[in-house]
Amino acid sequence: AIRMTQSPSSFSASTGDRVTITCRASQGISSYLAWYQQKPGKAPKLLIYAASTLQSGVPSRFSGSGSGTDFTLTISCLQSEDFATYYCQQYYSYPLFTFGPGTKVDIK
Amino acid sequence: QVTLRESGPALVKPTQTLTLTCTFSGFSLSTSGMCVSWVRQPPGKALEWLALIDWDDDKYYSTSLKTRLTISKDTSKNQVVLTMTNMDPVDTATYYCARILAAAGEYYFDYWGQGTLVTVSS
Repeated sequence: AIRMTQSPSSFSASTGDRVTITCRASQGISSYLAWYQQKPGKAPKLLIYAASTLQSGVPSRFSGSGSGTDFTLTISCLQSEDFATYYCQQYYSYPLFTFGPGTKVDIK
Repeated sequence: QVTLRESGPALVKPTQTLTLTCTFSGFSLSTSGMCVSWVRQPPGKALEWLALIDWDDDKYYSTSLKTRLTISKDTSKNQVVLTMTNMDPVDTATYYCARILAAAGEYYFDYWGQGTLVTVSS
């Protein structure tokens, strides 16, 4: 099974900061990676798919990059509504999907 | 407008069988490429994929849970049902159903239900 790791597991940031979250796959997954945002008590929300394609309606301050085993999610200018937990998910090994452990972004 | 909604018991006893229903609207599970999956999340923990059923009635399960899971669909009712046998307290989690519109190898979850919390306790 493909294992996903994320770093850091959590960190504090301020509104306006540029933040980067890293996701690593245990084997190459090409660009078959999605990123989700989850707020407490809510369902995950799709942000990015195919490693770098922004889902419709998602603000352009979110961007994704990477291929193979290493991926990043970047928020260019953190807004108050962006404080949440972020998960990566691989679908290379469809239908045996795996998610990363999550990265929690909270307010400094 | 695509929506999904999970329903089922909030509390089950250990060893019982859990049955969850996902009722959806805004798409048809008979459309080529359409899939519905179940994903769960224990309190404070990460997401875990459980099962998927596609437009062609193909069914797939998590390797670690496949002996306990059954997924089925009723296309006429726009529903997908998940059963999980032999429930244990470690199965306490919020259970989500989510849609995949598969195209060109892209299998990401674009719409999610709001989730239903299932607690396993005697």
